[in-house]
Amino acid sequence: EIVMTQSPATLSVSPGERATLSCRASQSVRSTLAWYQQKPGQAPRLLIYGASTRATGIPARFSGSGSGTEFTLTISSLQSEDFAVYYCLQFNNWPYTFGQGTKLEIK
Amino acid sequence: EVQLVESGGGLVKPGGSLRLSCAASGFSFSNAWMSWVRQAPGKGLEWVGRIKSKTDGGTTDYDAAVRGRFTISRDDSKTTLYLQMNSLKTDDTAVYYCMTFLPVVGSAYWGQGALVTVSS
Repeated sequence: EIVMTQSPATLSVSPGERATLSCRASQSVRSTLAWYQQKPGQAPRLLIYGASTRATGIPARFSGSGSGTEFTLTISSLQSEDFAVYYCLQFNNWPYTFGQGTKLEIK
Repeated sequence: EVQLVESGGGLVKPGGSLRLSCAASGFSFSNAWMSWVRQAPGKGLEWVGRIKSKTDGGTTDYDAAVRGRFTISRDDSKTTLYLQMNSLKTDDTAVYYCMTFLPVVGSAYWGQGALVTVSS
């Protein structure tokens, strides 16, 4: 099973600033990596798939990069609605595995 | 509009069984790979299993934690996905989501979730 490790566990950022979230895979997952956002009481929302492709309707301030084992989600200018938990997901090998999540909180 | 609506959640005793349903609409269900993902209270996301479309073989895959106890099936005529859960354990307590990724649309769709509580 591929282990996905996200860092940091919690990130405190002020609105309007940039946030950078990291995800590392225990072995190469090529570009089969997705990023999800989840708010309390809601289902996860797909932001990025294929490591860098924004899902339909996702604002341009969200961007993804990386391949192989190292991936980054960048939110260029944080809006109030962006404070949530973010998960990376590898779908290269079964079982698909999520990272443990990064909580993005208001500084 | 794509919709996924789960039902069948509830309270069950350890060792018991429960079947979840996920009614789908707004997309070509028969061509879609469907999955179940769960989230224990206050915890992260865990992929439970998936079922491929019949044109891709209709096969299923499960996470090791549920293999042999859970069964995913689909009824394309009713556009409904199922999760049969047997020999339930307290560790299976979670919100269970059905979901699908539609590459043509470039997005993933999730249901609202069904809470399953395993407790004596």
